[in-house]
Amino acid sequence: NAGVTQTPKFRVLKTGQSMTLLCAQDMNHEYMYWYRQDPGMGLRLIHYSVGEGTTAKGEVPDGYNVSRLKKQNFLLGLESAAPSQTSVYFCASRTTTFEQYFGPGTRLTVT
Amino acid sequence: GDSVTQMEGPVTLSEEACLTINCTYTATGYPSLFWYVQYPGEGLQLLLKATKADDKGSNKGFEATYRKETTSFHLEKGSVQVSDSAVYFCALSRGNAGKSTFGDGTTLTVKP
Repeated sequence: NAGVTQTPKFRVLKTGQSMTLLCAQDMNHEYMYWYRQDPGMGLRLIHYSVGEGTTAKGEVPDGYNVSRLKKQNFLLGLESAAPSQTSVYFCASRTTTFEQYFGPGTRLTVT
Repeated sequence: GDSVTQMEGPVTLSEEACLTINCTYTATGYPSLFWYVQYPGEGLQLLLKATKADDKGSNKGFEATYRKETTSFHLEKGSVQVSDSAVYFCALSRGNAGKSTFGDGTTLTVKP
C-alpha cells in the first residue's frame, strides 16, 4: 500500500502560469480533500470530493479547480497562478470512521 | 459552526518532561476527536482518536480522553523524547459532508 501520493513534490511557477497537482490513493476511500498550509494559518480546505465524479468547495476555493474522474485520483488545478498561492498543498483521503490519511505535500512557489 | 482551539505554542521541553497540549472544541452533536502529528517536511499522520464521551485514545505513549462535559481532548505524554519534536493538530469530524475541523497546530520542541 502506497497510501496517498502527490505529484510533484516541488514546483516553481511564474505569475500567470497554470499547473495541475495530482493526488492518488490506493485505499478505495470515497472522500478526498485538498488543503493548503501556510505559516500561522493552519490547514485550510480548498475543495473536497465525496465520491467519483463529485466535487465541492471548501473554505478557500477561489483560484482553484478540481476534478475527480476516477475514484483513486483527485486533481487540483491552478489556471493562472498568483504569488498568494505560494503554499504547501496537502491531499488527504478519509475512511468511513473519519480518519484522514495525508500525502507528503507539494511545495509550490509562485514568483 | 464547528471550531477547535488549541493551546498556543511553541512549547519547548527537556527530554523526559511531561507534556500536556490543551484542546477544546465547539460542535453540535457528538463529534469524533483526533490528534494528528506532523514531522518536519511531511504530511499529517493520525496519532490517536476517540469516538465517544469518556473514550481514551492512545498511541506511542500519548493519550487523550474525550471529555464531553468540558468539551476537551487534551493530549498528554508522561515522558517526551527528542523524536517527539513535531507539530500537533487537534481535529474533530461530525460527518458533515466528510469535512473535518482542525486546530491551528502546536509546535513541540524537545531538547536533549
